[in-house]
Amino acid sequence: AQKVTQAQTEISVVEKEDVTLDCVYETRDTTYYLFWYKQPPSGELVFLIRRNSFDEQNEISGRYSWNFQKSTSSFNFTITASQVVDSAVYFCALSPTGNQFYFGTGTSLTVIP
Amino acid sequence: EAQVTQNPRYLITVTGKKLTVTCSQNMNHEYMSWYRQDPGLGLRQIYYSMNVEVTDKGDVPEGYKVSRKEKRNFPLILESPSPNQTSLYFCASSSLPGPGGYTFGSGTRLTVV
Repeated sequence: AQKVTQAQTEISVVEKEDVTLDCVYETRDTTYYLFWYKQPPSGELVFLIRRNSFDEQNEISGRYSWNFQKSTSSFNFTITASQVVDSAVYFCALSPTGNQFYFGTGTSLTVIP
Repeated sequence: EAQVTQNPRYLITVTGKKLTVTCSQNMNHEYMSWYRQDPGLGLRQIYYSMNVEVTDKGDVPEGYKVSRKEKRNFPLILESPSPNQTSLYFCASSSLPGPGGYTFGSGTRLTVV
């Protein structure tokens, strides 16, 4: 079975705090893709990152960083020095084939000025 | 501008009245997919298509039809809509398994009364 769990439904932080969004996935496939998407209040879905299962290197992009650990089936997302513009719903997703996608239920992040 | 265009953005209809939500992409992507987003459930895949005339069911295909007669278009058809199909619908396209992720349309908010 394929499954993505985002246990944190809602998180609130004060601006400039760091925040980590958790993502745990389940799959029996040995090759798969992992993704993070952002959905701001305007409603569109914005692609943030894709990771291949064979690439466990962590990634940093500006204030964003991602920690992929196959041993714990986790793909966590950290925002450093959060800003009000980071307020959004964030979705983690799994695709074993590149065709079928499984999304988590999302984490709603509110950054308080 | 590279984009996925969905129409309409908002639609209110009555139970049983056939409707079509259109989706078009201008990126020459082979892969297209439809999702519905419901509170607390995240995004769930309805149908996907890997190329012209190739479609397959996602997680929640019941009550929906799709067609892929041209590479750029992937309409979603509700032959006999019911109130439980009230949802926010997203179309997406991708060059997967090539690099990158999905590009999503702006969404269609459908209400069936």
